[in-house]
Amino acid sequence: DAKTTQPPSMDCAEGRAANLPCNHSTISGNEYVYWYRQIHSQGPQYIIHGLKNNETNEMASLIITEDRKSSTLILPHATLRDTAVYYCIVEDLAGGTSYGKLTFGQGTILTVHP
Amino acid sequence: DTGVSQDPRHKITKRGQNVTFRCDPISEHNRLYWYRQTLGQGPEFLTYFQNEAQLEKSRLLSDRFSAERPKGSFSTLEIQRTEQGDSAMYLCASSSGLAGRTDTQYFGPGTRLTVL
Repeated sequence: DAKTTQPPSMDCAEGRAANLPCNHSTISGNEYVYWYRQIHSQGPQYIIHGLKNNETNEMASLIITEDRKSSTLILPHATLRDTAVYYCIVEDLAGGTSYGKLTFGQGTILTVHP
Repeated sequence: DTGVSQDPRHKITKRGQNVTFRCDPISEHNRLYWYRQTLGQGPEFLTYFQNEAQLEKSRLLSDRFSAERPKGSFSTLEIQRTEQGDSAMYLCASSSGLAGRTDTQYFGPGTRLTVL
């Protein structure tokens, strides 16, 4: 089962920041948080990942709370092409190792409006 | 870098027929994954290869499903005696493989299977 909880849907106006929350209260101390998105009829696309510190790349920023029980993905200037399903995924290090498989939940459907 | 490719993109078959899908990962990626996605759901893990070795299989992978990755390059996923419940998008992903850790996976466009 997915170790994360996300709202089922969110709306955002084009040009504004989109802030997508994720709860992962059972995360272990050394498990990374990954974000992927899936645009309709395409395969999922990696966005960003982080452990403790906030991360930023050309696509987005990731803010992880100090207790690591939740995180927020920020798209600073959303465009219509950012309309997609966004998945927050916690790495599974059960047993201290990982094969890297991703356990997807339902994700958040982000709709960006003109 | 041409990305992960999958073939065919669409497959329509009749119940009871066998189908085979192919995935070509990013070159030099030693990890390869298969996922299945049904309408309105997130992708579900099916199986994983480290080079040519199949190291993990989901309980979703019934005995009608078989996957191979000869020589650690491309992979095939075969479904025998297809059932209507097999209708789904089959996604392939590859990654370079950090020992013992999750790493960034690159997904192909998927093969959409429709079983009539």
